[in-house]
Amino acid sequence: LAKTTQPISMDSYEGQEVNITCSHNNIATNDYITWYQQFPSQGPRFIIQGYKTKVTNEVASLFIPADRKSSTLSLPRVSLSDTAVYYCLVGGAGSYQLTFGKGTKLSVIP
Amino acid sequence: NAGVTQTPKFRILKIGQSMTLQCTQDMNHNYMYWYRQDPGMGLKLIYYSVGAGITDKGEVPNGYNVSRSTTEDFPLRLELAAPSQTSVYFCASSSQTGKLNYGYTFGSGTRLTVV
Repeated sequence: LAKTTQPISMDSYEGQEVNITCSHNNIATNDYITWYQQFPSQGPRFIIQGYKTKVTNEVASLFIPADRKSSTLSLPRVSLSDTAVYYCLVGGAGSYQLTFGKGTKLSVIP
Repeated sequence: NAGVTQTPKFRILKIGQSMTLQCTQDMNHNYMYWYRQDPGMGLKLIYYSVGAGITDKGEVPNGYNVSRSTTEDFPLRLELAAPSQTSVYFCASSSQTGKLNYGYTFGSGTRLTVV
């Protein structure tokens, strides 16, 4: 399973765009990249998943360079309610042993 | 659409007691998982199941048991509770179509304290 590295914490002001980068140097050919969001006292929530280039949904964008050794989760114009821990996971078909690291704790400041 | 339902939400156990954490999903997902999360830490996989009648150990299975008699239910059994099992337990499910394992859906968690 590919190991991921992401910053422990980040601070941002309301209204700013936030980019959280995850490194996954040993990503395999059939691995997908998935991001989750976790609020205190809740289970993680699926945000976005991608394989290459760019994926966008109503919540976030995911940028994946050609070599796929890293990925960047982009949250547009964050609000206080975006304060949470964000996890980057890498795994492919049959990845039923995904590992959640400590994630990135995002604090949005008024 | 209930998703993944966990019961109970909170429980205090005495050392040596046993209990079962219940997990039910109504999305017809074939995969189900149990994770534990200690304070300030990520989630660690305890057990998982790829379908009814099939279970396997994750990263931290000691002190726990599971069963999967139906697609919907995946209970986690704690035998002889120990203080080290104080944690928040999350159940999750996911589906897989072809080569893609879609995102996990998590329950709201069970906060367990062993005293």
